[in-house]
Amino acid sequence: KNEVEQSPQNLTAQEGEFITINCSYSVGISALHWLQQHPGGGIVSLFMLSSGKKKHGRLIATINIQEKHSSLHITASHPRDSAVYICAVPRAGNQFYFGTGTSLTVIP
Amino acid sequence: KAGVTQTPRYLIKTRGQQVTLSCSPISGHRSVSWYQQTPGQGLQFLFEYFSETQRNKGNFPGRFSGRQFSNSRSEMNVSTLELGDSALYLCASSGLEGSPLHFGNGTRLTVT
Repeated sequence: KNEVEQSPQNLTAQEGEFITINCSYSVGISALHWLQQHPGGGIVSLFMLSSGKKKHGRLIATINIQEKHSSLHITASHPRDSAVYICAVPRAGNQFYFGTGTSLTVIP
Repeated sequence: KAGVTQTPRYLIKTRGQQVTLSCSPISGHRSVSWYQQTPGQGLQFLFEYFSETQRNKGNFPGRFSGRQFSNSRSEMNVSTLELGDSALYLCASSGLEGSPLHFGNGTRLTVT
């Protein structure tokens, strides 16, 4: 069993739709990271959170430590949101367990 | 601040050869970590360096090695390349413990 499970693996949405990506983990953590990877490879760190909720623009990340679950929401989705979204939990230092990623395509 | 810089961006090598990849972290960041990304295995941790010392190591064979210099720049080396080493290699730097990672654009290695 993977330490980090993400769902769904693939997601296609119409522009403007509300999107939710889920991440469940089985290890104790200090914080969970959400990453975004665009075609071409570069990865951007979107959020690092250890409790509650964080918001940045149209992106919202929530975490429930007791249930070992986090969600990434995108409101009013746009084609430029098309990317792979990866959740990651630290193991030691900057050694992480990574989810397999959710490939999001937003259609105009 | 300049971001994390990885060179080269693309590399094509033949089985049996060796390769060296370079990563320059964000100024002031002392931690540099390396990751391999393949379609089948996703992102996997290779190793992390902090102040010129390897702090953590992932589950990769000894053909994969790295080092960090006094200016925090890091290199990773893969010897005796195999076809399965074809991947996107990403490095990331961070400042204080627990702070967000900043990734480079990666080096795409193709082994033929």
